[in-house]
Amino acid sequence: GQQLNQSPQSMFIQEGEDVSMNCTSSSIFNTWLWYKQEPGEGPVLLIALYKAGELTSNGRLTAQFGITRKDSFLNISASIPSDVGIYFCAGPRWNNNDMRFGAGTRLTVKP
Amino acid sequence: KAGVTQTPRYLIKTRGQQVTLSCSPISGHRSVSWYQQTPGQGLQFLFEYFSETQRNKGNFPGRFSGRQFSNSRSEMNVSTLELGDSALYLCASSLEGSYEQFFGPGTRLTVL
Repeated sequence: GQQLNQSPQSMFIQEGEDVSMNCTSSSIFNTWLWYKQEPGEGPVLLIALYKAGELTSNGRLTAQFGITRKDSFLNISASIPSDVGIYFCAGPRWNNNDMRFGAGTRLTVKP
Repeated sequence: KAGVTQTPRYLIKTRGQQVTLSCSPISGHRSVSWYQQTPGQGLQFLFEYFSETQRNKGNFPGRFSGRQFSNSRSEMNVSTLELGDSALYLCASSLEGSYEQFFGPGTRLTVL
């Protein structure tokens, strides 16, 4: 089963609002990845994080690697309708390349 | 550069049959991983291949197998299909030593 706890499960927001989601684990991760999946497609890599405390941006998206190595956050600023999709966190477990995925956050943006 | 391609995109099989899915990675990517995605269990790691060798394996029964060819293309096989095998099967490729995986569009398998 999954070992990454992702929240919230779903979000319904108005266009223009900011969004924040997070991922936590009881295990240490040495890399955190954030993906977005749209219907009928595979996940697309958005941001990769490699160091504890690292803050990385990709356009309106910003992600952070938690200091404890057990959590990560993704923020989307000024949301637009095309942000709709399911956002997943993922990472290989420490000392183990077994890639784990969170259950996903389903984002709906109302125009 | 072309992305990861998977064939077929859709497949319908009946219980007891077997199925083979194909994945062509991004050119230059030698690592190929397979995942099963279902609404109930989410994305679950099946196995990873690198240089024609299985490097990691997830917690799936032996009915699930795979292989990789010298050109890095990969196939996965599911034998004796069960209703619960209905899922989206995703393939992802990456460069050696990188955790950044690039996914294909998936193969939607329905078992009746």
